[in-house]
Amino acid sequence: GQSLEQPSEVTAVEGAIVQINCTYQTSGFYGLSWYQQHDGGAPTFLSYNALDGLEETGRFSSFLSRSDSYGYLLLQELQMKDSASYFCAVTHQGGKLIFGQGTELSVKP
Amino acid sequence: ETGVTQSPTHLIKTRGQQVTLRCSSQSGHNTVSWYQQALGQGPQFIFQYYREEENGRGNFPPRFSGLQFPNYSSELNVNALELDDSALYLCASSLTGPNTEAFFGQGTRLTVV
Repeated sequence: GQSLEQPSEVTAVEGAIVQINCTYQTSGFYGLSWYQQHDGGAPTFLSYNALDGLEETGRFSSFLSRSDSYGYLLLQELQMKDSASYFCAVTHQGGKLIFGQGTELSVKP
Repeated sequence: ETGVTQSPTHLIKTRGQQVTLRCSSQSGHNTVSWYQQALGQGPQFIFQYYREEENGRGNFPPRFSGLQFPNYSSELNVNALELDDSALYLCASSLTGPNTEAFFGQGTRLTVV
């Protein structure tokens, strides 16, 4: 079977750094993606890792270790607008995405 | 705005009815995928269309079917609706390939009563 595990909720304060972990069990792995979804909104793409290592995009970074079937999303200098659900997703051949259950991030003042 | 539009935005149907949801993909994207997202859950892959052919299917029964048109827009049809079909249905368009970003529409909120 295929499964992804990520924490259900995380709380942090403005300006802090938070890391959301994701472990996965899957076949046909091409890469790990991260998506952000605000309440009532569409998932929006944040990052994609196909190879081991760290990818940095502004305040957000994503890491992948294929040997450990593990990745994380790092959010720095948290802002109130970062309060949302964050999903890791395994990318399969053809771009099919298998999503985790999501992590609800609450940023407090 | 992603350029992916879905219609309708909200829909209420009765158990046993049929429903058609529509998606216009982002210009230039030849691949459309459909996902079902129950409240508090991650999106679940239903199927994907590439150049008007089904190109992969998730664990959904045959009463979930789809179409892709020559302009790459797409439809999701669900027959014999069940209460558990109540969910947000998301359409995502992309270029073909595993390392391309998927652009999601705002979704159709389907309620089955």
